[in-house]
Amino acid sequence: DAGITQSPRHKVTETGTPVTLRCHQTENHRYMYWYRQDPGHGLRLIHYSYGVKDTDKGEVSDGYSVSRSKTEDFLLTLESATSSQTSVYFCAISGLTSVSTDTQYFGPGTRLTVL
Amino acid sequence: SQQGEEDPQALSIQEGENATMNCSYKTSINNLQWYRQNSGRGLVHLILIRSNEREKHSGRLRVTLDTSKKSSSLLITASRAADTASYFCATESGGGADGLTFGKGTHLIIQP
Repeated sequence: DAGITQSPRHKVTETGTPVTLRCHQTENHRYMYWYRQDPGHGLRLIHYSYGVKDTDKGEVSDGYSVSRSKTEDFLLTLESATSSQTSVYFCAISGLTSVSTDTQYFGPGTRLTVL
Repeated sequence: SQQGEEDPQALSIQEGENATMNCSYKTSINNLQWYRQNSGRGLVHLILIRSNEREKHSGRLRVTLDTSKKSSSLLITASRAADTASYFCATESGGGADGLTFGKGTHLIIQP
């Protein structure tokens, strides 16, 4: 494993509640990513970060926000969860030794259910 | 939108046989990567091939890339039951840290 953890691993919440998922790395990688995985869609990029306080939107960013105040932590927030955000969320890291993304290392995932 | 599309969506073969999965993509790329995902787990990086490379090997894996056809193939030789998993191709097209664009995956089942 590349020293990447996600918390919580499972969460059930109700529509309209805020939810924050945490990704933590111990490898000092520069780049961090949040993806969601849904049946029939593969993985889709939500947001990514190329450094502390530097973030940008991915393909499916609507309804999500992120923050990165420390190199090791990347938070994904659903301000008001909806049933369409029921998914498995994966964090990934890359860019330890070069400026390009190259290989990405994935966390174990967080299964989120919005009722 | 999906960049890569794997073919077939599902593949079932006997242990010891070779498994071939294909990936097509739409735009120019910097590199193409293959990942494996076991049920309920995160993705594991298998191999990366750059746009100026045509073939790459890693153990029982062989990847080819044809940029003129915008396609790649992953060959797993002498398959084992432990190879049962979903396999995804992913492309990197932008510069720096723009993230990867994944296909929908091929689910491979190795029958003992």
